[in-house]
Amino acid sequence: NAGVTQTPKFQVLKTGQSMTLQCAQDMNHNSMYWYRQDPGMGLRLIYYSASEGTTDKGEVPNGYNVSRLNKREFSLRLESAAPSQTSVYFCASSVTSGLSYNEQFFGPGTRLTVL
Amino acid sequence: GDSVTQMEGPVTLSEEAFLTINCTYTATGYPSLFWYVQYPGEGLQLLLKATKADDKGSNKGFEATYRKETTSFHLEKGSVQVSDSAVYFCALRSSNSGYALNFGKGTSLLVTP
Repeated sequence: NAGVTQTPKFQVLKTGQSMTLQCAQDMNHNSMYWYRQDPGMGLRLIYYSASEGTTDKGEVPNGYNVSRLNKREFSLRLESAAPSQTSVYFCASSVTSGLSYNEQFFGPGTRLTVL
Repeated sequence: GDSVTQMEGPVTLSEEAFLTINCTYTATGYPSLFWYVQYPGEGLQLLLKATKADDKGSNKGFEATYRKETTSFHLEKGSVQVSDSAVYFCALRSSNSGYALNFGKGTSLLVTP
């Protein structure tokens, strides 16, 4: 049981390049999330997917796109990377329900630098 | 909208000292509240949670009580260890955004021997 996995762990891009961050979970969770973590800013929600086949914008979606490929996988794409997208990216997943105690499980993160 | 405010760090304590990290929130309704911990180079792990007013979450010697009257969820530990050095995040679970978490900015804790 691997939990939430993310690839790659580290990436350096030049401005204007594109890349896709991969995330997969093996816990049969409905919901998946992408956050970015910046110094002094905590974690901010980029996009989320409440269930397979749906995606919605979070707090900071500009410059990103996502794909919920199937129930397990949720990818984040940067079409034209900018230095402002230098950050650590975390994927998370959880069971979706009205139950208030559903824990979110986080991946180990991808550290992205855009030059 | 929903938001979380937690005390600024870094916090430096000697081993066996008492720890308090303050967290207050603004939200409609009665959100669930969480503390997550991030050890160096790792992702976030749930430390404890509380789902309704007056609930006390506890784990690994850490405690936090959901105080509706003061909209607070302060993290405490009676005797910290070097291994507790990490960044601690207070968060609330919003009913919007697919039940995503709203995080505070994080408080870095360094415990020295």
